[in-house]
Amino acid sequence: LAKTTQPISMDSYEGQEVNITCSHNNIATNDYITWYQQFPSQGPRFIIQGYKTKVTNEVASLFIPADRKSSTLSLPRVSLSDTAVYYCLVAPHGSSNTGKLIFGQGTTLQVKP
Amino acid sequence: KAGVTQTPRYLIKTRGQQVTLSCSPISGHRSVSWYQQTPGQGLQFLFEYFSETQRNKGNFPGRFSGRQFSNSRSEMNVSTLELGDSALYLCASSLRGDNTDTQYFGPGTRLTVL
Repeated sequence: LAKTTQPISMDSYEGQEVNITCSHNNIATNDYITWYQQFPSQGPRFIIQGYKTKVTNEVASLFIPADRKSSTLSLPRVSLSDTAVYYCLVAPHGSSNTGKLIFGQGTTLQVKP
Repeated sequence: KAGVTQTPRYLIKTRGQQVTLSCSPISGHRSVSWYQQTPGQGLQFLFEYFSETQRNKGNFPGRFSGRQFSNSRSEMNVSTLELGDSALYLCASSLRGDNTDTQYFGPGTRLTVL
């Protein structure tokens, strides 16, 4: 399984755009990239998933360059409530390794007023 | 649609005891996964059940076991509790358990072993 590397922590201010980059140099052809968000003492929550180029939903955008060796989660105009840990996961579609998400250390985002 | 529910939310046990945690998945979801989260080790996969069968298992000792019922509800049991078992135990459900399925997590059970 592809190993992911992301910054341990990031600071931002309310209203700013935040970009969190995840490195996954040995990503495989059938791997998808997924981001989860976790607040203290709660379970992680799915944010976005993509395979290549750009994916956008109502809360975030995911940018994946052509070589797919990295990906960037973009959070537009963050608020204090976006303070959380963000996890980047890489996993193959249709794998026999069912139901298993491999979480790294994640990026702790602190949004300041 | 109701989310994933876990009971109890908090639990205090002493070393040597055993504990059973319960998880009710989202209606229609047949895959249930369990995770342990500690400050030191982060989120670690315990096991996954689908249609009452354990399909996948993480690297935990045999004291950790689980089962799934015909209605997809799942229970996790830890026997002979150790201090190191203190953690937040999370369950997650998904439609099929495929790695690209969205997993929906419950609020967790906070277990404290004294």
